[in-house]
Amino acid sequence: AQSVTQLGSHVSVSEGALVLLRCNYSSSVPPYLFWYVQYPNQGLQLLLKYTTGATLVKGINGFEAEFKKSETSFHLTKPSAHMSDAAEYFCAVSGPAGGTSYGKLTFGQGTILTVHP
Amino acid sequence: EAGVAQSPRYKIIEKRQSVAFWCNPISGHATLYWYQQILGQGPKLLIQFQNNGVVDDSQLPKDRFSAERLKGVDSTLKIQPAKLEDSAVYLCASSFASGQIYEQYFGPGTRLTVT
Repeated sequence: AQSVTQLGSHVSVSEGALVLLRCNYSSSVPPYLFWYVQYPNQGLQLLLKYTTGATLVKGINGFEAEFKKSETSFHLTKPSAHMSDAAEYFCAVSGPAGGTSYGKLTFGQGTILTVHP
Repeated sequence: EAGVAQSPRYKIIEKRQSVAFWCNPISGHATLYWYQQILGQGPKLLIQFQNNGVVDDSQLPKDRFSAERLKGVDSTLKIQPAKLEDSAVYLCASSFASGQIYEQYFGPGTRLTVT
């Protein structure tokens, strides 16, 4: 079974400050990991994903995340927050290709990011 | 490229009534998903289709929920009868295939309120 825990349901930062959203996962097989963003009244949009290879993954809008197997973590960061980054962010996990949980996303509970001027 | 379309965007019904949601995936996407997103929680997969066949419906409450994907394109999700705890946003997503590294594209969702 897979699970995702996002530490902190709300994170507040000032514009220009570092954004750090935490995600830890549990998986019995090497996971595929994702971060999605959801703006109000909209669907989810993929920010970035890790499947295999380089553990530091760069995504859209200046976000990046690092897969740390030893810490079972996949934290999302952005060096400088913009007002437009205010949204809800979801971490998700699926199993690798060929496995029974491939293609089935398990989401965390979400973190609401607020950006102050 | 047109995105995933869903309708209606909002629906308010009384408990014990029935309701249906419609989803049109991105053209050419073989895999279609329905998720339930309860306020304050992440989306939870209800059912996954590959073309017009069901791949996984293990979390679908089959006593009241049903879904179909005729001709492997559009899909409908039905709730009959609705309960208060069904109040949620119902998200539809599609992906090109499930046999390769993929990306799921999400629609805007249908917000259901059961009173």
